[in-house]
Amino acid sequence: AQKITQTQPGMFVQEKEAVTLDCTYDTSDPSYGLFWYKQPSSGEMIFLIYQGSYDQQNATEGRYSLNFQKARKSANLVISASQLGDSAMYFCAMREPYSGNTPLVFGKGTRLSVIA
Amino acid sequence: DAMVIQNPRYQVTQFGKPVTLSCSQTLNHNVMYWYQQKSSQAPKLLFHYYDKDFNNEADTPDNFQSRRPNTSFCFLDIRSPGLGDAAMYLCATSRDQGGDQPQHFGDGTRLSIL
Repeated sequence: AQKITQTQPGMFVQEKEAVTLDCTYDTSDPSYGLFWYKQPSSGEMIFLIYQGSYDQQNATEGRYSLNFQKARKSANLVISASQLGDSAMYFCAMREPYSGNTPLVFGKGTRLSVIA
Repeated sequence: DAMVIQNPRYQVTQFGKPVTLSCSQTLNHNVMYWYQQKSSQAPKLLFHYYDKDFNNEADTPDNFQSRRPNTSFCFLDIRSPGLGDAAMYLCATSRDQGGDQPQHFGDGTRLSIL
């Protein structure tokens, strides 16, 4: 079964608008970490934001925020005031359990295109 | 001030000819990872080192080996590359294996097989 599901293969957003990229996850472990990465066409993976399963508040990092709904097992990434440089592939990833020798599992990604 | 450096950015090799990809880090992180990413797919973990302890993923082909001679360097060796091994190879590091530790990636090496 898919551990991480990103249902939007591609998204378009107008420059300066906000956009939400969906991510749902599947785990029975109470402790886990959720990550979002950005991958521009040049290939490098850039860490954006992290949310721990026990964190009480939604994570925020500059223009990035994470809409964490634990009961629904969703961790959507919100990008505010989109910029042309935000055009990239975005991956949601999970690590379970919270500590220990466990791999990071990635979703299939969402390709975001920002339109001028 | 790149922190995870992969060389080369692009590598072309012949079918069956061994190839080595390199990764170095200036972060002094304990853990180093190698991922394979094929076109339009998510990265797939091949193996990782926690310090000198090597951890191989169950479905990593025997064709793929890794070496970590010291904290800073890690190598990916592909003994007899096949056409299916053409991919982007990503190296990543993390301070330790805690669940809240993000992985820091290099720019990747894009491997082509002729």
